[in-house]
Amino acid sequence: NAGVTQTPKFQVLKTGQSMTLQCAQDMNHNSMYWYRQDPGMGLRLIYYSASEGTTDKGEVPNGYNVSRLNKREFSLRLESAAPSQTSVYFCASSEGEVLNQPQHFGDGTRLSIL
Amino acid sequence: AQSVAQPEDQVNVAEGNPLTVKCTYSVSGNPYLFWYVQYPNRGLQFLLKYITGDNLVKGSYGFEAEFNKSQTSFHLKKPSALVSDSALYFCAVRDLLFSGGYNKLIFGAGTRLAVHP
Repeated sequence: NAGVTQTPKFQVLKTGQSMTLQCAQDMNHNSMYWYRQDPGMGLRLIYYSASEGTTDKGEVPNGYNVSRLNKREFSLRLESAAPSQTSVYFCASSEGEVLNQPQHFGDGTRLSIL
Repeated sequence: AQSVAQPEDQVNVAEGNPLTVKCTYSVSGNPYLFWYVQYPNRGLQFLLKYITGDNLVKGSYGFEAEFNKSQTSFHLKKPSALVSDSALYFCAVRDLLFSGGYNKLIFGAGTRLAVHP
């Protein structure tokens, strides 16, 4: 019972490099999310996908793009990495249409930009 | 603006003692509140939620939370702390102003719980 799977778990990039973070869920959830976690700031929503075929910006979308590849997969792309994007990135999913259901999180990708 | 606050960066408790992790919220309307726990190098795990009904909500791992509307609080509690409860705890509230058809959450900054033997 995998839940939400994120790859890679760790990555170091140089400034200006690009990278795609992968996320897949096996719970048949409609909604998926990308957050970043920084010390003392809790979780901030980068992008979300309320359902397959739709994506929308969250609180901090600048410097990122997303693709909802199918119902299972939601990827996050950094086109030109910057040191300010050093963070821990979490993907989450939820049933979406059923309000007040909890979000389920992956174990995160720890990204360092040098 | 809707928000959630966790006033303590860290809470220290001796094993076997009761613990409380505080959370206060500000929303326009009836709140929908959640607690999550994060262990080192792991994602957030859902503990419990308050939607409506009894003010005392029971959740996973022996945790419970008390909803207090007059004090706009939703404190997390456990009668007897374990060393294994040491983790980062997040309170969250559903963003009621968001009409995108899904459960958009606003998270607090987190409280680190340290349980000492």
